[in-house]
Amino acid sequence: DTAVSQTPKYLVTQMGNDKSIKCEQNLGHDTMYWYKQDSKKFLKIMFSYNNKELIINETVPNRFSPKSPDKAHLNLHINSLELGDSAVYFCASTMGGILGGARWFFGPGTRLTVL
Amino acid sequence: SQQGEEDPQALSIQEGENATMNCSYKTSINNLQWYRQNSGRGLVHLILIRSNEREKHSGRLRVTLDTSKKSSSLLITASRAADTASYFCATGGPDGTASKLTFGTGTRLQVTL
Repeated sequence: DTAVSQTPKYLVTQMGNDKSIKCEQNLGHDTMYWYKQDSKKFLKIMFSYNNKELIINETVPNRFSPKSPDKAHLNLHINSLELGDSAVYFCASTMGGILGGARWFFGPGTRLTVL
Repeated sequence: SQQGEEDPQALSIQEGENATMNCSYKTSINNLQWYRQNSGRGLVHLILIRSNEREKHSGRLRVTLDTSKKSSSLLITASRAADTASYFCATGGPDGTASKLTFGTGTRLQVTL
């Protein structure tokens, strides 16, 4: 069974379009994240939700809007896509809390290509 | 900015040899984790070491942590071709902050037959 799943796996779209990426975890975790991995393989945190509440927003353009309808889902909507948004986006989940320190699980990634 | 810097950036060894990767970080941490990423795939958790631990083992993996030097190392013994991947260290924030992982720059390991 897939612990953290993302859809779609690949997304190719034109500049200016709006698109969404979905993430679901079946681990009962209370904290979910979106990370962006650029072409140089740098992984940078974008957002974190704990129990459906936004707790981390790392200076991401407001074209990116995360939504967490419930603890098991964290979606990412991107408006007015730009070339620089091309990257691999990873969803992750863990049992959170202030101290963290629990094991994390990552989804397989969504490769977004903006033409 | 990236928390961790990994060294070396790339490493090429032959099957059966040991591979050592190092990670340095800048701020105090609660824990440090190592992940593997195969080409075009997601990240797989390998091992977690807490700030009050100095060494941890898991199968062929050995991780050390030196909080005084703000550094960690990952040793893979008796490497196999299947170990070919990128390896990332990731640090968990200091006590009292919202939990997040800050990733290093990664080491690309190539194990040849």
